[in-house]
Amino acid sequence: EVQLVQSGAEMKKPGESLKISCKASGYSFTSHWIGWVRQMPGKGLEWMGVISPGDSEMRYRPSFQGQVTISADKSINTVYLQWSSLKASDTAIYYCAREAWGSVDCWGHGTLITVSS
Amino acid sequence: QSALTQPPSASGSPGQSVTISCTGTSSDVGGYNYVSWYQQHPGKAPKLLIYEVNKRPSGVPDRFSGSKSGDTASLTVSGLQAEDDAYYYCGSYAGHTNFGVFGGGTKLTVL
Repeated sequence: EVQLVQSGAEMKKPGESLKISCKASGYSFTSHWIGWVRQMPGKGLEWMGVISPGDSEMRYRPSFQGQVTISADKSINTVYLQWSSLKASDTAIYYCAREAWGSVDCWGHGTLITVSS
Repeated sequence: QSALTQPPSASGSPGQSVTISCTGTSSDVGGYNYVSWYQQHPGKAPKLLIYEVNKRPSGVPDRFSGSKSGDTASLTVSGLQAEDDAYYYCGSYAGHTNFGVFGGGTKLTVL
């Protein structure tokens, strides 16, 4: 069974750094791009960016370029999303998502990030 | 890169059919047969319903169907059931970004 298991919810203060994870199982990790999707409270879905785990090629939506970093460690089948300095507006649920031509055939359960002073 | 355009709400009674539209451009919906649809219940992760315009993953009832004409894609839910009450999002491959774009979402209410 294809699964994406994400790290747990986090509560952080503005200015703090954070790295969340998504561990893949049940398929060849390097065969599919994996991306991150943001869902702000009460809002819709937004693609942030995707990574090819095999060669770490990355593509970011322009509004997220420079704001977050996506990386992958193929030795442990894990993709990461990190921030160097969180803002209150980063409060959201973040889903990792196995991507194929713009569609998502497997979603993680989501990681709730709350940023508040 | 703008989100695809969906109506904010739709509704229907049990047993009826409802169609939700998703309008993009020639750079996404109109340019590729890579339109997908997702269902999301409150507090849950989205679930893939339709991919490549009109294909259903294993386990998705055939009450859900997809189509596309030009820059507009559509999801039709036939024989509405109470459990269809949820948010629905469309998505498309967008060639100019080399990955995807979502619609703003439609709240389907089963009356």
